[in-house]
Amino acid sequence: NAGVTQTPKFRVLKTGQSMTLLCAQDMNHEYMYWYRQDPGMGLRLIHYSVGEGTTAKGEVPDGYNVSRLKKQNFLLGLESAAPSQTSVYFCASSYPWDRGQETQYFGPGTRLLVL
Amino acid sequence: RKEVEQDPGPFNVPEGATVAFNCTYSNSASQSFFWYRQDCRKEPKLLMSVYSSGNEDGRFTAQLNRASQYISLLIRDSKLSDSATYLCVVNPSNTGKLIFGQGTTLQVKP
Repeated sequence: NAGVTQTPKFRVLKTGQSMTLLCAQDMNHEYMYWYRQDPGMGLRLIHYSVGEGTTAKGEVPDGYNVSRLKKQNFLLGLESAAPSQTSVYFCASSYPWDRGQETQYFGPGTRLLVL
Repeated sequence: RKEVEQDPGPFNVPEGATVAFNCTYSNSASQSFFWYRQDCRKEPKLLMSVYSSGNEDGRFTAQLNRASQYISLLIRDSKLSDSATYLCVVNPSNTGKLIFGQGTTLQVKP
């Protein structure tokens, strides 16, 4: 049982390049989330999904797109990377909140540097 | 004003000390509250949920004061392994869209 995994662990991009971050979970969770963590800012929600085929914007969605084609995978795309997107990206998953199971399980993170 | 505010610290304490962290939140309608722990360069992990009546898990005690809109975490008999960043987390709308504080760093010294 791997939990939540993220690919890649670390990446360096040049401004304007594109990339996709992959998140996978094997806990059969309906909900999945993408966060970014910057010094002094705490984790901020980028996009989230409450089920296969559905996505919604979080607090800081601009410059990112997401897709949830399969229940176990949640992809985060950067179409044209900017230095302001240098950050640590965490994926998380959870059961639906109305089940009273509120824990979010996080992946190990992807460190992205945009030059 | 940030939605969730914490003193970033660092709090430097000797082993065996008792240390307390506070966190304030701005949305009075917030439903759920949590403390997560994050080790250096690792992912956050749930430490404990915070209930209105207060709750305890071993050396850790969490309390909620809705009237004053603050949450506290008390750690007794600190261990070296308690060194980490403690994130105060609030769910303002019971939708899973959590709001994270910036974290309070604790360093326990021998």
